[in-house]
Amino acid sequence: DPKIIQKPKYLVAVTGSEKILICEQYLGHNAMYWYRQSAKKPLEFMFSYSYQKLMDNQTASSRFQPQSSKKNHLDLQITALKPDDSATYFCASSQDPGTDSDYTFGSGTRLLVI
Amino acid sequence: AQSVTQPDARVTVSEGASLQLRCKYSYFGTPYLFWYVQYPRQGLQLLLKYYPGDPVVQGVNGFEAEFSKSNSSFHLRKASVHWSDWAVYFCAVSKYYAQGLTFGLGTRVSVFP
Repeated sequence: DPKIIQKPKYLVAVTGSEKILICEQYLGHNAMYWYRQSAKKPLEFMFSYSYQKLMDNQTASSRFQPQSSKKNHLDLQITALKPDDSATYFCASSQDPGTDSDYTFGSGTRLLVI
Repeated sequence: AQSVTQPDARVTVSEGASLQLRCKYSYFGTPYLFWYVQYPRQGLQLLLKYYPGDPVVQGVNGFEAEFSKSNSSFHLRKASVHWSDWAVYFCAVSKYYAQGLTFGLGTRVSVFP
């Protein structure tokens, strides 16, 4: 059974619209993260949360907003979508946010903005 | 700032041959290093991780990696490649507290009979 569930797997959106990417983890981890994988770029760290509190935000745009309604949930709301937002978005988690943590990744949500 | 360089974008290898994937890192302090594999249309799976100690780390599916502080490297090796190893391999270094991982661009490995 997948330990990190990301929904949906695929998403097509119109430029200017808003979408929410869902992430739930069942590992009992206390820290959760969002990463983005765009074509020809390395996997980029976006956000980290620990105990439902934002720890770090490396995303330049305020159009990307994480939302944590429960400890094992970290959704990603993206507003005013642009074609450049097309990417695969990965959710990850770790027991805690320390530098020696093990990270588990979900299978990703592939977003295409047209 | 931390960085990871994987100089080989693509590697082609015959089934049964040995494989080495290169990774160079830049990090101030003691690095925690990782190799992940991404199979087609799947998420990333951890192959192995390095914590300060023994420089040779054993991972899953016959993979191992060797850490070298003097060379700032963390190369991945496998003695005999199987067709199921066809995937993209990512090297990563842990960033500072709560900053997740810094990844390289990945090396795409193709395995042919």
